[in-house]
Amino acid sequence: AQSVTQPDIHITVSEGASLELRCNYSYGATPYLFWYVQSPGQGLQLLLKYFSGDTLVQGIKGFEAEFKRSQSSFNLRKPSVHWSDAAEYFCAVGAKGGGSQGNLIFGKGTKLSVKP
Amino acid sequence: NAGVTQTPKFQVLKTGQSMTLQCAQDMNHNSMYWYRQDPGMGLRLIYYSASEGTTDKGEVPNGYNVSRLNKREFSLRLESAAPSQTSVYFCASSELTAEWGNTIYFGEGSWLTVV
Repeated sequence: AQSVTQPDIHITVSEGASLELRCNYSYGATPYLFWYVQSPGQGLQLLLKYFSGDTLVQGIKGFEAEFKRSQSSFNLRKPSVHWSDAAEYFCAVGAKGGGSQGNLIFGKGTKLSVKP
Repeated sequence: NAGVTQTPKFQVLKTGQSMTLQCAQDMNHNSMYWYRQDPGMGLRLIYYSASEGTTDKGEVPNGYNVSRLNKREFSLRLESAAPSQTSVYFCASSELTAEWGNTIYFGEGSWLTVV
């Protein structure tokens, strides 16, 4: 069955520290992988996505993620966290195509808190 | 850029009342979606529409109906609201491209409380 696991429900880091949010997936076909961020009271904003090619992808706000097929992982990283990064982060996996084929399967999210 | 626009943003309903959530996108996307978000559950797909004139059930369709009015608009209707439908609802749209595959863009959400 297709699934996405974000093992950490809540992470707290100090401002300026590095960050890694974990995401593991189970998917039959070649996965297309996404990270979204949701600030309180807001919708989901696309941070970055991986479809093919270079396994290290760069996104907005200084985030990057690395696709590791052997580990079925797509972890999100940032070298230095800012207080404004406090939000909830969702990993998602999908297949090429629109409609049902394009539906994303979401992880349950990781809430990031940032200490001053 | 408006992107995906949902209305209303907040709504309180009494059990048994009906209401419709409206959604419109200005990106000329073929596919549109309705998700609900509940604490600890992530996002779950209610219904989707692969193209104008078609709709299909997602993971949690019970208690909901949808209408793809035209390419731009995709509404979600609760015929008889129940407290279990208290949630945050997100409309989304997407377009398949050869370069980027299928990327989904979300509206800002509609907070619905059923009392």
